[in-house]
Amino acid sequence: AQKITQTQPGMFVQEKEAVTLDCTYDTSDQSYGLFWYKQPSSGEMIFLIYQGSYDEQNATEGRYSLNFQKARKSANLVISASQLGDSAIYFCAMRVPTLNSGGYQKVTFGTGTKLQVIP
Amino acid sequence: DGGITQSPKYLFRKEGQNVTLSCEQNLNHDAMYWYRQDPGQGLRLIYYSQIVNDFQKGDIAEGYSVSREKKESFPLTVTSAQKNPTAFYLCASSPIPGETQYFGPGTRLLVL
Repeated sequence: AQKITQTQPGMFVQEKEAVTLDCTYDTSDQSYGLFWYKQPSSGEMIFLIYQGSYDEQNATEGRYSLNFQKARKSANLVISASQLGDSAIYFCAMRVPTLNSGGYQKVTFGTGTKLQVIP
Repeated sequence: DGGITQSPKYLFRKEGQNVTLSCEQNLNHDAMYWYRQDPGQGLRLIYYSQIVNDFQKGDIAEGYSVSREKKESFPLTVTSAQKNPTAFYLCASSPIPGETQYFGPGTRLLVL
């Protein structure tokens, strides 16, 4: 069974500092994908970044980077130069193939890390 | 302006009542999904649809029903059989099954 673990229920970071949010995963599949989503207080889930299991380089999107360590099964999110608007809950998620002929891939979400940026 | 809309933002259900949550997308995505989020937890999949007129149960489908008569629309009905419906419901879509999912703003359902 697939599992995503986020061990930090809450974190604080000073504005303009970098912060790392931890995510470990467990799957026996060789082909999988890892995501990070941001959920501000409004509730909407905002897609941030994606890493495929066969991607050799770590994914980056602006101030977000994904520190992918395949052997350790970790996919940590690094946010550089934190801003007040980064305060939100961050979810790590993983998708793996299923036997469904339509191409559906099951997505499993972690329980989230609440990040608060301090001025 | 493409995106996913959900309505209403808040919904109140009386005991024994069925309620329907709306989800519409104008992204021309084939696949659509419904998730339930409870406080302090991740998202759990209720139903998904890979194509029009087709849908499949997710991990927690009991007490819920869906339809997919149009590509743009994937309404979720919370039936009276769902004994603990109070939660935040999120709808998502992806261009094709297996690609990145994009979410709507959510509907918060409360039981009176």
